[in-house]
Amino acid sequence: DAGITQSPRYKITETGRQVTLMCHQTWSHSYMFWYRQDLGHGLRLIYYSAAADITDKGEVPDGYVVSRSKTENFPLTLESATRSQTSVYFCASRGQGDYGYTFGSGTRLTVV
Amino acid sequence: AQTVTQSQPEMSVQEAETVTLSCTYDTSESDYYLFWYKQPPSRQMILVIRQEAYKQQNATENRFSVNFQKAAKSFSLKISDSQLGDAAMYFCAYRSFMNYGGSQGNLIFGKGTKLSVKP
Repeated sequence: DAGITQSPRYKITETGRQVTLMCHQTWSHSYMFWYRQDLGHGLRLIYYSAAADITDKGEVPDGYVVSRSKTENFPLTLESATRSQTSVYFCASRGQGDYGYTFGSGTRLTVV
Repeated sequence: AQTVTQSQPEMSVQEAETVTLSCTYDTSESDYYLFWYKQPPSRQMILVIRQEAYKQQNATENRFSVNFQKAAKSFSLKISDSQLGDAAMYFCAYRSFMNYGGSQGNLIFGKGTKLSVKP
């Protein structure tokens, strides 16, 4: 299927565990983004990537790690999950010079 | 840094009526893009409408239109003939025209307005 796919859609994990959220896009878009959505905060940028092997921090990067070895994949890892990382996580992509964004369907992560 | 403010956490409208959602933003840039996204209970982020700051004409998409006031840094969304399917969270978002400040053109979101539509 064409588009941007996030997995899993739902995840429950325990405090202290490592969790990886997956994001895969099929358009070869240059730019990819990770946002978290929390009630009362809207969507806030965690990390972004301009191309393979180029990543940088956003507004709320603490506790997260990203990688982008291939253009189409942009996984987000919580190295040691905390309850404050309970949130809905969105991956998005954008092509070079394109101001249109495409969002994945989100991952609802609960840390207990 | 740019900020986006949506001052109405919740709004309600009667079916077939018109409703306006407010959005203001703060920026020192002269060129940028503004967006309205809809998020229904399915969680999917759906682009409703976008506006380029250099265009004076207000964008319209069917029943959705914006009132873009650049000097006032205001970008409100008007929904005409509201339908039950319009019930959702609506987010206003800003994006720099160029890659200012090292950002790669990420979207900056407001906190959202939850719209309810009454039958």
